[in-house]
Parts: sequence; C-alpha cells; structure tokens
Amino acid sequence: GAVVSQHPSWVICKSGTSVKIECRSLDFQATTMFWYRQFPKQSLMLMATSNEGSKATYEQGVEKDKFLINHASLTLSTLTVTSAHPEDSSFYICSARVNRGYNEQFFGPGTRLTVL
Amino acid sequence: QKEVEQDPGPLSVPEGAIVSLNCTYSNSAFQYFMWYRQYSRKGPELLMYTYSSGNKEDGRFTAQVDKSSKYISLFIRDSQPSDSATYLCAMSTGANSKLTFGKGITLSVRP
Repeated sequence: GAVVSQHPSWVICKSGTSVKIECRSLDFQATTMFWYRQFPKQSLMLMATSNEGSKATYEQGVEKDKFLINHASLTLSTLTVTSAHPEDSSFYICSARVNRGYNEQFFGPGTRLTVL
Repeated sequence: QKEVEQDPGPLSVPEGAIVSLNCTYSNSAFQYFMWYRQYSRKGPELLMYTYSSGNKEDGRFTAQVDKSSKYISLFIRDSQPSDSATYLCAMSTGANSKLTFGKGITLSVRP
C-alpha cells in the first residue's frame, strides 16, 4: 500500500512555457503532500508543503508565483512551473504523508523537467 | 554548517561486505530519524525509521541513533548488488514536521 504516482515522468518544454506536474496518492488519502526539487548528485530540497483545501507553505527562497501549488483533493496535488526557464530544469519529486503517528512520507517516482 | 551532513562517497564494496553509512546533525531538536534508498531516476523509498536514540534491526539492515553525539548510522550486512543505490538520511523534529535530508551517498556493491 501507500503508492504515490507522478505524471508526467519526464517533460521537455521551451523556455517561457508553463508545465504542470501531478502528484496522486493512489490507495490512501493524504491531507499533506510535499514538493521537492533534486539536482544531480544533490539531496532533496523541500520547496513547499501542500495541505488539502488551503494555501501551500513555501520554503524560504522559493518563488510562490513561479511554482504554483494546488491541493484540490485528498489524493491530488499539482505543481505548475510558470514561465519556465533553463535554470528550472531539475528532478521534481512529490511525497504524501501518511498519518501513522510518525513522520512517514511516501515518495512519487519523480518528474524530470528539461527546459530548452 | 549544514543541519545534516552525510559522508559524500561514492562507496564501492564487494558483495557480502558489511556497509556502514553515517550522518551527523547539528539540530538537537531532531527526534525522528529515517533512512531512504533511492535508485537512479526514481523517488526515495523508506528503509528504516527510528524514534529518538537506540538501535533498530530489519533483516540485513540496522539503524542506529546516538543523540548525545548527534550521529546516526545505517549498517547493511551481507551486501548484495541489488543494494546498489543512493542512500539518504532524513530527520525531523516532530511527527508532523518537514524532513531535512542529507546529501546522500551512492553505494555500489560489486558482484
């Protein structure tokens, strides 16, 4: 159980376009989802915490107008990279927290974004 | 100083070896400690979870937490080629707090 999917798994786009990435919890409801960014050979950097039905909480240094997060239901959160530029190219990973009394997060397989 | 430091690696060992992976941290408020395994181009998967200090064993894996030294370890016994992956330590201050990750170490187990 506790499967998280992401779509698309990879995307290539032109500079200036917007890209939407979906994160779904397939077999459980997730009131809280997280969005991370990972550069090659680097760790996961938390971008924002997404709570169902409320505004996302962004980490310091993350532009909320550039990285739009919507958590419309208990099984779906979306990240939209607006007006993408080559420096936004990265591996984006979402996770969903399961309420088991401790901080267990299940991660999606990630989305590789390449901006030309 | 980063909140979580992890040995940079990479690490290459022969099959059957005992592997020791380590992280140190500076925030004494961390109470939940986790080890994740990440295969190339995949999302991390939880391997071990420990609350506060002590040891926890699961099959070939043992997680160890020493809060007095702010040091955690993951031991892998009888390592297998399938253990080849990147291992990330992660920790948080509370059950509903954000995770802070180490940089990760890439392990390669040679047949």
